[in-house]
Amino acid sequence: GESVGLHLPTLSVQEGDNSIINCAYSNSASDYFIWYKQESGKGPQFIIDIRSNMDKRQGQRVTVLLNKTVKHLSLQIAATQPGDSAVYFCAEAVTGANSKLTFGKGITLSVRP
Amino acid sequence: GAVVSQHPSRVICKSGTSVKIECRSLDFQATTMFWYRQFPKQSLMLMATSNEGSKATYEQGVEKDKFLINHASLTLSTLTVTSAHPEDSSFYICSADYVNYEQYFGPGTRLTVT
Repeated sequence: GESVGLHLPTLSVQEGDNSIINCAYSNSASDYFIWYKQESGKGPQFIIDIRSNMDKRQGQRVTVLLNKTVKHLSLQIAATQPGDSAVYFCAEAVTGANSKLTFGKGITLSVRP
Repeated sequence: GAVVSQHPSRVICKSGTSVKIECRSLDFQATTMFWYRQFPKQSLMLMATSNEGSKATYEQGVEKDKFLINHASLTLSTLTVTSAHPEDSSFYICSADYVNYEQYFGPGTRLTVT
């Protein structure tokens, strides 16, 4: 019979447009959040992080927004480029002894030329 | 800075054999390293936390006798998959604690067990 595999949700955007990737995190005690980019066959690459005492942080072409009330994290990418095509993961952690990251499910960003 | 390497990048082994994967922090010292496993189209699942000079801490459901972890120095951690079986085929990724809880990841090792 036919096998059915898992598929990550996909966000398709036009080159040059802004992208918004959303993530719902699970642990209300988490105080540190990171966005990673993973290209096919490679390890995750750090994009930007934010701590719970902030609600917005900007990097080069990227902005992370944190809403602790609803446990929501978003990554905004300005002027999306073909090189931005990848899988994006959010990760959360409770800092302190024995701190470890818990990863979200991931979203595939596909940039249309 | 903050470069993590893994070796090998790909390995194919026969069922029943053991495979060792190395994770190195190249330009910094890492007291703590982490090992993850990732199946196709899925997220990263933490297998264990490796602390230099002490025993690794395994996540629930991960067999410590099957996935042996050694963190003998501040720049090297190894994962040995013992008596590998086809269901152990996966993408194994390590990371190292850099500063302020930032983790930097290695490029991953694709293990195929035939």
